[in-house]
Amino acid sequence: DAGVTQSPTHLIKTRGQQVTLRCSPKSGHDTVSWYQQALGQGPQFIFQYYEEEERQRGNFPDRFSGHQFPNYSSELNVNALLLGDSALYLCASRRGWYNEQFFGPGTRLTVL
Amino acid sequence: SQQGEEDPQALSIQEGENATMNCSYKTSINNLQWYRQNSGRGLVHLILIRSNEREKHSGRLRVTLDTSKKSSSLLITASRAADTASYFCAPSTGGADGLTFGKGTHLIIQP
Repeated sequence: DAGVTQSPTHLIKTRGQQVTLRCSPKSGHDTVSWYQQALGQGPQFIFQYYEEEERQRGNFPDRFSGHQFPNYSSELNVNALLLGDSALYLCASRRGWYNEQFFGPGTRLTVL
Repeated sequence: SQQGEEDPQALSIQEGENATMNCSYKTSINNLQWYRQNSGRGLVHLILIRSNEREKHSGRLRVTLDTSKKSSSLLITASRAADTASYFCAPSTGGADGLTFGKGTHLIIQP
């Protein structure tokens, strides 16, 4: 049983560009969340998707958007990249509202 | 959502010793999860303890939860070099709220 998978592993972009990160949840999971983790900090919640809709959002600007597909996989899009967007982006999935949340290995984004 | 605060921020012990780290939070929760993160990699889920549970075990891990004190502890027994990592707690009210993390406890196991 594959866990949460993310692609790509690493990505280098320049300021002003746009990026799309992808996530496939663990089998049987229907809820996907995205987190941003800067160096030396804990992960920060970006948003959560359930039934193809954004259900909750953290304190992130509209440049951060997402999508969930009918097969529960998800994308995170970031527009107009800033140097400060350089971070590890983590995807997490779970089944239902009160169960364990499992994380993927992350995508390391570097903005130059 | 609510944030857990881990204590201590850093802990260095000898291999074979036990390691204890603590987590405090501010409001009522449905459950609390502990995670491990090796340098620059994803978070590994260790254990979930629900608000009606007081203690839970998984291998060398023992987690306690005291809802009256709004605190939890993670004990790792007979530590190994591979336990060197950052450990995060994530208290949760459930529902659509995302998890909110503190800076974690950075554990170093000296050989």
